[in-house]
Amino acid sequence: SYELTQPLSVSVALGQTARITCGGNNIGSKNVHWYQQKPGQAPVLVIYRDSTRPSGIPERFSGSSSGNTATLTISRAQAGDEADYYCQVWDSSTVVFGGGTNLTVL
Amino acid sequence: QVQLRESGPGLVKPSETLSLSCTVSGGSISTYYWSWIRQPPGKGLEWIGYIYYSGSTNYNPSLRSRVTISVDTSKKQFSLKLSSVTAADTALYYCARGGDLWSGLTQFDYWGQGTLVTVSS
Repeated sequence: SYELTQPLSVSVALGQTARITCGGNNIGSKNVHWYQQKPGQAPVLVIYRDSTRPSGIPERFSGSSSGNTATLTISRAQAGDEADYYCQVWDSSTVVFGGGTNLTVL
Repeated sequence: QVQLRESGPGLVKPSETLSLSCTVSGGSISTYYWSWIRQPPGKGLEWIGYIYYSGSTNYNPSLRSRVTISVDTSKKQFSLKLSSVTAADTALYYCARGGDLWSGLTQFDYWGQGTLVTVSS
């Protein structure tokens, strides 16, 4: 079965750029979606189809995908960006989520 | 604005069947794919399965033998049944919309707020 690998945690200084990776076999050939989940809240879509931002998501959030790695980039990180982030793909009509990355803004 | 709301018992006994419903408001249930996703306390997201408005389904292979998802378009509801539950099925259960007739299976753009189901005697 297809697997997605994310780092357990990423730290970033306030105002700097955070990069969260999502590894999977030839993930560049799939559509990758990213979700932000804050404590006690449902996940929120922040990037879909590798790099598209839904309306209402700040331009500071961007995404890319190539080869075996997809990346969520958060520029000018703010305290409010602290959350768990999950990548997701569809594989053979089933959903695969990454294990999630906890982002800490220092 | 599309809204989803989960409902059902918050406590289920071991070996029994967990039953939840998700009601869709503010939009159509037709032409969309609808999923159930769960999250054990302190852990990550696990997809349970989806149903298309027409009734076709697909399930997580690890849960397939115990899961049934159904839809009632007249009530704008879809439902989850998970049989023979154990403590490992204790989780926050979310319903979500993930794809449509034109785009196929895509991102989950709308989520319910989640409902906690505890399996305990």
